[in-house]
Amino acid sequence: AQTVTQSQPEMSVQEAETVTLSCTYDTSESNYYLFWYKQPPSRQMILVIRQEAYKQQNATENRFSVNFQKAAKSFSLKISDSQLGDTAMYFCAFMKHVRASGTYKYIFGTGTRLKVLA
Amino acid sequence: GAVVSQHPSWVICKSGTSVKIECRSLDFQATTMFWYRQFPKQSLMLMATSNEGSKATYEQGVEKDKFLINHASLTLSTLTVTSAHPEDSSFYICSAREGGQPRNQPQHFGDGTRLSIL
Repeated sequence: AQTVTQSQPEMSVQEAETVTLSCTYDTSESNYYLFWYKQPPSRQMILVIRQEAYKQQNATENRFSVNFQKAAKSFSLKISDSQLGDTAMYFCAFMKHVRASGTYKYIFGTGTRLKVLA
Repeated sequence: GAVVSQHPSWVICKSGTSVKIECRSLDFQATTMFWYRQFPKQSLMLMATSNEGSKATYEQGVEKDKFLINHASLTLSTLTVTSAHPEDSSFYICSAREGGQPRNQPQHFGDGTRLSIL
């Protein structure tokens, strides 16, 4: 069964500094998708970045980048030049194929609460 | 693009009443919609997956007679909490995925509904 583990319940970083959030997962599939979502105090889930497992190149979106290590089943998120608006809960998600129904669904990690300090 | 509207954002009602929550995809056709429940400071728990025009697939432990899901069109899904009780109080979030290759399409989330049962 697929599982997603975020081992850092809470983190803090100074404004303008860089922080890395860790995520590990377990799967027997060879091709899959991984995502990072952000949930600010407003509670809306916002897609930050996604990675396709068959792509070796790490995904980047402006100040956000991932370090995808397929062999180690690791998918960490790096936030550069942290801003106060980055304060949020961050969830790592694995997209799972449900063969019985043919649908795809997310398996979420438990989240990391990030606080950016002024 | 890819906006999901959820209504209402907050509802308070008496124990024993039924509450309906709407989830609409505003600018795309959502072939699949998902309903999640989130307890304070916890991750999202998938309740059910619904494909337009067919019955929802409920996760293990979720009472289908308690949480009625209807996905009658490509832009609207509803979750009805029947005979709600205080233990049903929670934050409910819907998400939607566009048609096409599921693996290429992330889920887009609504703003969530805070349900409080007195």
